[in-house]
Amino acid sequence: EAGVTQFPSHSVIEKGQTVTLRCDPISGHDNLYWYRRVMGKEIKFLLHFVKESKQDESGMPNNRFLAERTGGTYSTLKVQPAELEDSGVYFCASSHGVGSEQYFGPGTRLTVT
Amino acid sequence: KQEVTQIPAALSVPEGENLVLNCSFTDSAIYNLQWFRQDPGKGLTSLLLIQSSQREQTSGRLNASLDKSSGRSTLYIAASQPGDSATYLCAVKPDSNYQLIWGAGTKLIIKP
Repeated sequence: EAGVTQFPSHSVIEKGQTVTLRCDPISGHDNLYWYRRVMGKEIKFLLHFVKESKQDESGMPNNRFLAERTGGTYSTLKVQPAELEDSGVYFCASSHGVGSEQYFGPGTRLTVT
Repeated sequence: KQEVTQIPAALSVPEGENLVLNCSFTDSAIYNLQWFRQDPGKGLTSLLLIQSSQREQTSGRLNASLDKSSGRSTLYIAASQPGDSATYLCAVKPDSNYQLIWGAGTKLIIKP
């Protein structure tokens, strides 16, 4: 069984540009989560999908971030326009049930210059 | 507001020693607690998941305990090996929602 995959593994963009991160959850997992870790800080929750619906987006930092999960399969996280403070590692996780173990992808390292 | 603290921030021990990593949380109303390891430049690997009704979980040389009333969890690593070197993170899932609240991690170095 394939694990959670994320693309790209690393992205370097200039301030003001747009970047789209992708996450493919484990097949059959209805729950998908986005987290991020900025330099020197703890990992923070961004949002949670149940199938294609946003269940909780309380962690999204501002309206420059847009997450989608059309069809309830893979998810994208778009940052537009990117700012320097958006640099960090963005993790995606999926779980079968909401109380189940969360399985994490390898992360996407975003660098905004 | 739930806060998770991990002490120490870094730990270096000789190979073969048994060691304990600590995780504390401020609100005992948790659904479960997970321990993860992260290798440099890599993703997060789940090690153990303890449900709120459980007191401990074991996997190989790893044993995690949970004391909800005191807001503490420990990760015990027996007979440490250089391959155990990594950052260990604990995360709690509050009762009230489904996100994980994370500690800052303990960076563990096992010296050969």
